Amino acid sequence: GQNIDQPTEMTATEGAIVQINCTYQTSGFNGLFWYQQHAGEAPTFLSYNVLDGLEEKGRFSSFLSRSKGYSYLLLKELQMKDSASYLCAVSVYGGSQGNLIFGKGTKLSVKP
Amino acid sequence: GAVVSQHPSWVICKSGTSVKIECRSLDFQATTMFWYRQFPKQSLMLMATSNEGSKATYEQGVEKDKFLINHASLTLSTLTVTSAHPEDSSFYICSAGGQSSGANVLTFGAGSRLTVL
Repeated sequence: GQNIDQPTEMTATEGAIVQINCTYQTSGFNGLFWYQQHAGEAPTFLSYNVLDGLEEKGRFSSFLSRSKGYSYLLLKELQMKDSASYLCAVSVYGGSQGNLIFGKGTKLSVKP
Repeated sequence: GAVVSQHPSWVICKSGTSVKIECRSLDFQATTMFWYRQFPKQSLMLMATSNEGSKATYEQGVEKDKFLINHASLTLSTLTVTSAHPEDSSFYICSAGGQSSGANVLTFGAGSRLTVL
Protein backbone atom coordinates (compact mmCIF):
# COMPACT_ATOMS: atom_id res chain seq x y z
CA GLY A 1 0.00 0.00 0.00
CA GLN A 2 0.87 3.65 -0.06
CA ASN A 3 1.87 5.33 3.15
CA ILE A 4 3.14 8.78 3.98
CA ASP A 5 3.91 9.74 7.55
CA GLN A 6 4.53 13.16 9.01
CA PRO A 7 4.06 14.56 12.51
CA THR A 8 0.58 15.78 13.30
CA GLU A 9 1.51 19.00 15.02
CA MET A 10 4.57 21.13 15.77
CA THR A 11 5.12 24.36 17.62
CA ALA A 12 7.97 26.79 17.13
CA THR A 13 8.92 30.33 18.05
CA GLU A 14 8.98 33.32 15.75
CA GLY A 15 12.43 33.80 14.27
CA ALA A 16 13.47 30.20 14.92
CA ILE A 17 14.12 27.30 12.54
CA VAL A 18 11.85 24.28 12.27
CA GLN A 19 12.23 21.01 10.40
CA ILE A 20 9.20 18.99 9.35
CA ASN A 21 9.96 15.39 8.51
CA CYS A 22 8.18 13.09 6.08
CA THR A 23 8.72 9.41 5.44
CA TYR A 24 7.07 7.50 2.65
CA GLN A 25 6.54 3.97 1.37
CA THR A 26 4.96 3.99 -2.06
CA SER A 27 4.71 1.61 -5.00
CA GLY A 28 6.62 4.03 -7.17
CA PHE A 29 8.29 7.39 -6.98
CA ASN A 30 8.22 10.28 -9.40
CA GLY A 31 8.97 13.15 -7.08
CA LEU A 32 8.05 14.57 -3.70
CA PHE A 33 6.16 17.80 -3.17
CA TRP A 34 5.62 20.06 -0.21
CA TYR A 35 2.52 22.23 -0.05
CA GLN A 36 1.42 24.84 2.46
CA GLN A 37 -2.23 24.97 3.42
CA HIS A 38 -3.79 27.65 5.61
CA ALA A 39 -6.99 26.69 7.38
CA GLY A 40 -9.93 26.61 5.01
CA GLU A 41 -7.83 27.38 1.99
CA ALA A 42 -6.39 25.43 -0.89
CA PRO A 43 -2.81 24.12 -0.76
CA THR A 44 -0.10 26.20 -2.38
CA PHE A 45 3.06 24.74 -3.88
CA LEU A 46 6.29 25.17 -1.91
CA SER A 47 8.88 22.79 -3.32
CA TYR A 48 9.61 19.76 -5.43
CA ASN A 49 12.39 17.17 -5.09
CA VAL A 50 13.02 14.30 -7.46
CA LEU A 51 16.77 13.81 -6.91
CA ASP A 52 18.57 13.34 -3.62
CA GLY A 53 19.77 16.46 -1.93
CA LEU A 54 18.73 19.86 -0.74
CA GLU A 55 16.65 22.36 -2.68
CA GLU A 56 16.76 25.87 -1.28
CA LYS A 57 14.19 28.54 -2.02
CA GLY A 58 14.43 31.60 0.18
CA ARG A 59 13.47 30.81 3.76
CA PHE A 60 12.27 27.35 2.78
CA SER A 61 14.44 24.36 1.93
CA SER A 62 13.50 20.78 1.18
CA PHE A 63 15.64 17.68 1.36
CA LEU A 64 15.17 14.25 -0.15
CA SER A 65 16.79 10.86 0.37
CA ARG A 66 15.21 8.33 -1.96
CA SER A 67 17.09 5.38 -0.50
CA LYS A 68 15.68 6.17 2.92
CA GLY A 69 12.23 7.19 1.74
CA TYR A 70 12.69 10.42 3.67
CA SER A 71 12.24 14.11 3.15
CA TYR A 72 12.17 17.18 5.30
CA LEU A 73 11.01 20.75 4.91
CA LEU A 74 13.14 23.34 6.67
CA LEU A 75 11.67 26.72 7.50
CA LYS A 76 14.05 29.46 8.63
CA GLU A 77 13.40 32.82 10.28
CA LEU A 78 9.90 31.77 11.16
CA GLN A 79 7.15 34.34 10.86
CA MET A 80 3.67 34.30 12.35
CA LYS A 81 2.21 33.91 8.87
CA ASP A 82 4.00 30.57 8.56
CA SER A 83 1.41 29.08 10.91
CA ALA A 84 -0.30 26.58 8.61
CA SER A 85 -0.45 22.92 7.71
CA TYR A 86 2.39 21.55 5.63
CA LEU A 87 1.55 18.67 3.34
CA CYS A 88 4.03 16.15 2.05
CA ALA A 89 2.92 14.48 -1.19
CA VAL A 90 4.47 11.84 -3.42
CA SER A 91 3.90 11.47 -7.14
CA VAL A 92 3.64 7.81 -7.98
CA TYR A 93 4.68 6.23 -11.29
CA GLY A 94 1.92 5.02 -13.50
CA GLY A 95 -0.44 7.78 -12.56
CA SER A 96 -1.06 11.18 -13.97
CA GLN A 97 0.60 14.18 -12.47
CA GLY A 98 -2.46 14.53 -10.33
CA ASN A 99 -1.99 11.14 -8.80
CA LEU A 100 -0.38 12.54 -5.70
CA ILE A 101 -0.51 10.65 -2.45
CA PHE A 102 -0.79 13.15 0.36
CA GLY A 103 0.23 12.83 3.96
CA LYS A 104 -2.19 14.07 6.60
CA GLY A 105 -0.25 17.24 7.02
CA THR A 106 1.71 18.79 9.88
CA LYS A 107 0.02 21.68 11.61
CA LEU A 108 2.67 24.22 12.52
CA SER A 109 1.93 26.85 15.15
CA VAL A 110 4.35 29.76 15.34
CA LYS A 111 4.35 31.54 18.71
CA PRO A 112 5.61 35.05 19.41
CA GLY B 1 1.63 31.86 -12.87
CA ALA B 2 -1.18 29.41 -13.35
CA VAL B 3 -4.48 30.31 -11.75
CA VAL B 4 -7.34 27.95 -11.04
CA SER B 5 -10.68 29.38 -10.07
CA GLN B 6 -13.24 27.35 -8.16
CA HIS B 7 -16.85 28.27 -7.48
CA PRO B 8 -18.73 28.36 -5.19
CA SER B 9 -16.36 28.71 -2.26
CA TRP B 10 -18.99 27.43 0.11
CA VAL B 11 -22.46 26.01 -0.22
CA ILE B 12 -25.13 24.74 2.13
CA CYS B 13 -27.83 22.47 0.80
CA LYS B 14 -30.59 20.21 1.99
CA SER B 15 -30.20 16.47 2.02
CA GLY B 16 -31.29 14.91 -1.26
CA THR B 17 -30.48 17.88 -3.45
CA SER B 18 -27.66 18.16 -5.98
CA VAL B 19 -24.81 20.63 -5.94
CA LYS B 20 -22.54 21.64 -8.81
CA ILE B 21 -19.00 22.90 -8.30
CA GLU B 22 -17.06 24.55 -11.11
CA CYS B 23 -13.34 24.55 -11.68
CA ARG B 24 -11.77 26.83 -14.28
CA SER B 25 -8.21 27.27 -15.45
CA LEU B 26 -7.99 31.01 -16.04
CA ASP B 27 -4.77 31.52 -17.98
CA PHE B 28 -3.95 28.11 -19.38
CA GLN B 29 -5.62 25.14 -20.96
CA ALA B 30 -5.97 22.02 -18.92
CA THR B 31 -6.74 18.76 -20.67
CA THR B 32 -6.71 17.14 -17.27
CA MET B 33 -8.06 18.38 -13.99
CA PHE B 34 -8.26 16.62 -10.69
CA TRP B 35 -10.84 16.56 -7.94
CA TYR B 36 -9.84 16.02 -4.32
CA ARG B 37 -11.85 15.76 -1.14
CA GLN B 38 -10.57 16.65 2.30
CA PHE B 39 -12.31 15.84 5.55
CA PRO B 40 -11.32 17.74 8.71
CA LYS B 41 -7.82 16.91 9.89
CA GLN B 42 -7.42 14.42 7.06
CA SER B 43 -5.26 14.40 3.99
CA LEU B 44 -6.43 15.31 0.52
CA MET B 45 -7.85 12.28 -1.21
CA LEU B 46 -7.96 12.11 -4.99
CA MET B 47 -11.51 11.39 -6.07
CA ALA B 48 -11.23 11.43 -9.82
CA THR B 49 -9.28 12.60 -12.81
CA SER B 50 -11.27 14.72 -15.21
CA ASN B 51 -10.32 14.36 -18.87
CA GLU B 52 -11.42 16.88 -21.47
CA GLY B 53 -13.73 15.31 -23.98
CA SER B 54 -13.85 11.90 -22.36
CA LYS B 55 -15.06 10.12 -19.27
CA ALA B 56 -13.53 10.82 -15.91
CA THR B 57 -11.38 8.25 -14.19
CA TYR B 58 -12.57 7.55 -10.67
CA GLU B 59 -10.50 6.33 -7.76
CA GLN B 60 -11.45 3.15 -6.01
CA GLY B 61 -14.34 3.62 -3.64
CA VAL B 62 -15.67 6.78 -5.28
CA GLU B 63 -19.17 6.39 -6.70
CA LYS B 64 -19.20 7.67 -10.25
CA ASP B 65 -22.99 7.93 -10.30
CA LYS B 66 -22.96 10.09 -7.22
CA PHE B 67 -20.08 12.36 -8.16
CA LEU B 68 -20.68 13.35 -11.76
CA ILE B 69 -17.75 14.97 -13.53
CA ASN B 70 -17.96 16.83 -16.79
CA HIS B 71 -14.97 18.32 -18.59
CA ALA B 72 -16.56 19.90 -21.63
CA SER B 73 -13.82 22.36 -22.48
CA LEU B 74 -10.11 22.86 -21.95
CA THR B 75 -10.75 25.39 -19.21
CA LEU B 76 -13.74 24.04 -17.32
CA SER B 77 -14.48 20.95 -15.27
CA THR B 78 -17.55 20.51 -13.10
CA LEU B 79 -18.26 18.19 -10.20
CA THR B 80 -21.89 17.53 -9.34
CA VAL B 81 -22.69 15.90 -6.03
CA THR B 82 -26.03 14.21 -6.67
CA SER B 83 -28.54 13.43 -3.94
CA ALA B 84 -26.20 14.87 -1.34
CA HIS B 85 -26.28 13.54 2.21
CA PRO B 86 -24.69 14.86 5.41
CA GLU B 87 -21.78 12.44 5.04
CA ASP B 88 -20.89 14.20 1.79
CA SER B 89 -20.14 17.36 3.74
CA SER B 90 -16.49 18.05 3.04
CA PHE B 91 -13.98 20.38 1.45
CA TYR B 92 -13.78 19.71 -2.29
CA ILE B 93 -10.73 20.99 -4.14
CA CYS B 94 -9.93 20.92 -7.82
CA SER B 95 -6.52 21.24 -9.39
CA ALA B 96 -4.84 21.43 -12.75
CA GLY B 97 -1.27 20.99 -13.89
CA GLY B 98 1.30 23.62 -14.66
CA GLN B 99 5.06 24.00 -14.77
CA SER B 100 7.18 25.18 -11.88
CA SER B 101 10.73 24.37 -10.90
CA GLY B 102 10.91 22.03 -13.85
CA ALA B 103 8.16 19.84 -12.49
CA ASN B 104 4.57 19.31 -13.36
CA VAL B 105 3.10 21.10 -10.38
CA LEU B 106 -0.52 21.17 -9.46
CA THR B 107 -2.25 24.47 -8.96
CA PHE B 108 -5.22 24.17 -6.67
CA GLY B 109 -8.46 26.05 -6.69
CA ALA B 110 -9.51 27.77 -3.48
CA GLY B 111 -11.80 24.88 -2.61
CA SER B 112 -15.51 24.52 -2.06
CA ARG B 113 -16.83 23.76 1.40
CA LEU B 114 -20.03 21.76 1.16
CA THR B 115 -22.36 21.42 4.10
CA VAL B 116 -25.34 19.12 3.70
CA LEU B 117 -28.08 19.59 6.27
